[in-house]
Amino acid sequence: GAVVSQHPSRVICKSGTSVKIECRSLDFQATTMFWYRQFPKQSLMLMATSNEGSKATYEQGVEKDKFLINHASLTLSTLTVTSAHPEDSSFYICSAVPGLAGGVSYEQYFGPGTRLTVT
Amino acid sequence: AQKVTQAQTEISVVEKEDVTLDCVYETRDTTYYLFWYKQPPSGELVFLIRRNSFDEQNEISGRYSWNFQKSTSSFNFTITASQVVDSAVYFCALSRGSTLGRLYFGRGTQLTVWP
Repeated sequence: GAVVSQHPSRVICKSGTSVKIECRSLDFQATTMFWYRQFPKQSLMLMATSNEGSKATYEQGVEKDKFLINHASLTLSTLTVTSAHPEDSSFYICSAVPGLAGGVSYEQYFGPGTRLTVT
Repeated sequence: AQKVTQAQTEISVVEKEDVTLDCVYETRDTTYYLFWYKQPPSGELVFLIRRNSFDEQNEISGRYSWNFQKSTSSFNFTITASQVVDSAVYFCALSRGSTLGRLYFGRGTQLTVWP
C-alpha cells in the first residue's frame, strides 16, 4: 500500500529557532500534499495545500511567513516553522494525494505525524 | 460551507458492548465523500472507510459497520462487540467532490473500551 513518511517524528527546539519537517511519499508521486495541525484533544485543522511546482495555498489565519511550505518534487514537501514559539507546539500531520496519468485520485494517505515541542 | 459534527466528545463502554459513533455533516454539494479515520494514541491516522454521496448502501467490515443516510445527513459508525484495542479517537470527515483531497474533519470522539 501507499506509504507516506514524516521526519522527524518528534522534535524539541528552543524558542526563536526554525524547524523543518519533511513529508515524503515513498512509493507514489504526489501532485498534492496537505499539512494539518492538531492541538491536544482537538481536531485536525488544515493549514495549507501544497502543489508540486507552485506556491502553497494557505488557509485563512495561517501565517505564510511563519509556516513556509515547499513542494519541490513529486515526492517531497517540507514545512518549516520559522522563529518557533511555545504556542507553535503541536502535532503536525501531512497527507499526500497520488497523481494519476489522465485522471484524479480521491485516495489520500497520511503520514505518521511530527510532534513539535518548543521550549 | 462544509461542516462535520461529532456531538459525542467521549464515550466509554465495557468490552463486548456495541457502540455507535455519530456523525452529522453539512454540505450543499451533490457530490461529496465521507470518511472515518481512527487515531490511536500513537497519533497516526488509520483510514477506515470512504463513501461517496451516491452510494447509500450500508457497509459491514468485520465488527465495523456504517450507516449512511442522506435524508438525515448522517454517517454513523458502529463497532460490534467492542474490544480494548478499539480505544482511540475516531474522526468523521468530508471532502467535496470538486476539491481533490481537502478534508473537513469533525472534532473527533474519544472511545475508551474498558476490559
